[in-house]
Amino acid sequence: LAKTTQPISMDSYEGQEVNITCSHNNIATNDYITWYQQFPSQGPRFIIQGYKTKVTNEVASLFIPADRKSSTLSLPRVSLSDTAVYYCLVVSGNTPLVFGKGTRLSVIA
Amino acid sequence: NAGVTQTPKFRILKIGQSMTLQCTQDMNHNYMYWYRQDPGMGLKLIYYSVGAGITDKGEVPNGYNVSRSTTEDFPLRLELAAPSQTSVYFCASSSQSGTRHNEQFFGPGTRLTVL
Repeated sequence: LAKTTQPISMDSYEGQEVNITCSHNNIATNDYITWYQQFPSQGPRFIIQGYKTKVTNEVASLFIPADRKSSTLSLPRVSLSDTAVYYCLVVSGNTPLVFGKGTRLSVIA
Repeated sequence: NAGVTQTPKFRILKIGQSMTLQCTQDMNHNYMYWYRQDPGMGLKLIYYSVGAGITDKGEVPNGYNVSRSTTEDFPLRLELAAPSQTSVYFCASSSQSGTRHNEQFFGPGTRLTVL
């Protein structure tokens, strides 16, 4: 599975857009890019997944360039409740997920 | 649907004691997983199962055992607890079907302290 690299932490003020970039240089053809969110004292939660170009849902957008060696999770107008750890994962079939340390996002009022 | 449930929520063990962490899912998922998460770290896979009767080791299986006699249940057994097993344990499940690839659903976790 491709290894991922993402920032350890980020701070943002409420109402701002937050972009978290993840690099995955060795991503394979059949791999999907997936982001999970984990609030304190809870299990991770799937938020978005994509293969290429742009994916948007009610929570976030995911931008993937043509070479797929990186991806950017975009959270529009964050609020205090978006404070969490965000994990970028490369997913291949049903092989077990590999979680790194993730990016700890702190939203400040 | 209750999703993935785990019991107990908290537990304190003495060194050398044993216990079983329970995990049940009601989504008819064939894949189930056990992870541990140490403070400030990501999740590490302990064991996983692709269906009833089939289990396999993950990254950190030493000191643990699992069984999968039914689709719904995937208990994790700790034998001879050690302080290094102090952690938060998460159970998860996933299905081969669905539009999202390998979307895993996590339980609320069990916080275990070994003293």
